[in-house]
Amino acid sequence: EAEVAQSPRYKITEKSQAVAFWCDPISGHATLYWYRQILGQGPELLVQFQDESVVDDSQLPKDRFSAERLKGVDSTLKIQPAELGDSAMYLCASSSVGQGFTGELFFGEGSRLTVL
Amino acid sequence: AQKVTQAQTEISVVEKEDVTLDCVYETRDTTYYLFWYKQPPSGELVFLIRRNSFDEQNEISGRYSWNFQKSTSSFNFTITASQVVDSAVYFCALSEEGYQKVTFGTGTKLQVIP
Repeated sequence: EAEVAQSPRYKITEKSQAVAFWCDPISGHATLYWYRQILGQGPELLVQFQDESVVDDSQLPKDRFSAERLKGVDSTLKIQPAELGDSAMYLCASSSVGQGFTGELFFGEGSRLTVL
Repeated sequence: AQKVTQAQTEISVVEKEDVTLDCVYETRDTTYYLFWYKQPPSGELVFLIRRNSFDEQNEISGRYSWNFQKSTSSFNFTITASQVVDSAVYFCALSEEGYQKVTFGTGTKLQVIP
């Protein structure tokens, strides 16, 4: 069964260090999302790609976060420098774009970040 | 702006009891979609159901049923005869037509006690 792949599954880092997460969406899915989920809260959209273009990054803290999807397939989310408040689960999701978007997202298992 | 409210933070039930998870939403659009996702302890969010704003028919799938009422902007989820495997965090979500952003509620943690 096709699935969204994410790595690493877990990451522990010290504050002020750089960290990167990778996501490979389901083959053929043009839309890719990065969500952040703080413990006890719902997922919050950080950035959304349509192919290689950013559609929405209004909630991305651009002073320290960056995201790219150079070839419109896999994507990398980077944090530099990491802060204590960045500790969270980073979820990648993808969806196909057919006639009429319906919002069904396919999620990866997530990357859990702990900043010490 | 779209908003989803799940007022129940945590619910505990004994196995075989029925349980209803509440969801209230806000949107200015007339065309929108509502969803429920399940997040088991493993962390991966799993899609359960999608309803569009023009279809207010309630839906039943096995032990799961959903009650969509536009008049009260609610999309509630009922699990009948709950099982331990139902223990998870459940998220209600909303997307508006033409804008591919999906907004999630804060989730309801369901614990089914054997």
